[in-house]
Amino acid sequence: GEDVEQSLFLSVREGDSSVINCTYTDSSSTYLYWYKQEPGAGLQLLTYIFSNMDMKQDQRLTVLLNKKDKHLSLRIADTQTGDSAIYFCAESAPGGYFGNEKLTFGTGTRLTIIP
Amino acid sequence: DAGVIQSPRHEVTEMGQEVTLRCKPISGHNSLFWYRQTMMRGLELLIYFNNNVPIDDSGMPEDRFSAKMPNASFSTLKIQPSEPRDSAVYFCASSLGTSIDYEQYFGPGTRLTVT
Repeated sequence: GEDVEQSLFLSVREGDSSVINCTYTDSSSTYLYWYKQEPGAGLQLLTYIFSNMDMKQDQRLTVLLNKKDKHLSLRIADTQTGDSAIYFCAESAPGGYFGNEKLTFGTGTRLTIIP
Repeated sequence: DAGVIQSPRHEVTEMGQEVTLRCKPISGHNSLFWYRQTMMRGLELLIYFNNNVPIDDSGMPEDRFSAKMPNASFSTLKIQPSEPRDSAVYFCASSLGTSIDYEQYFGPGTRLTVT
């Protein structure tokens, strides 16, 4: 079955880069996602990467994918206080009656910004 | 659009009682997902519907849990009888489809506490 793992906590000084790591087990994953959850809110999709890519950049966000090691990372450049949140890694894999994709989430990494 | 609406936002109940969580997806979305979030297990997919039909309920923990979607604008997740280990945040999400091309939009969640 699918399994997605993340470390639970990360503390970073304001202005530094944050790197959040994730490992997954399902080699049939087609897309990998990063979601952000702010306090008291639902999840928002931050970015995603297709499994045949190894890097994707979107403004301050850089996603790196090592498919051989099944390792995904999210780098946030110039981390700000507004980046404080829980970040979830998720993978999608074929499944379901119509071959639909379903998401498996990691436990989330709580990012704390130190002033 | 108001986004995915969930009610109640907080629910505190005693062990053995029936609990019903409600979700209104974004208008026009034809797929709906129920997730449970706990510290120990992170975010888990419980069940998802496509065009009001349950597609995959393999994540439903046991027979005490049931979900319905009587129409395109309403879904319920019921726990009967509830137990303390059911305490978690329950998220509903909706999307235009279950394909990976469609982003899932999450509601704010219902925090359930069973004493």
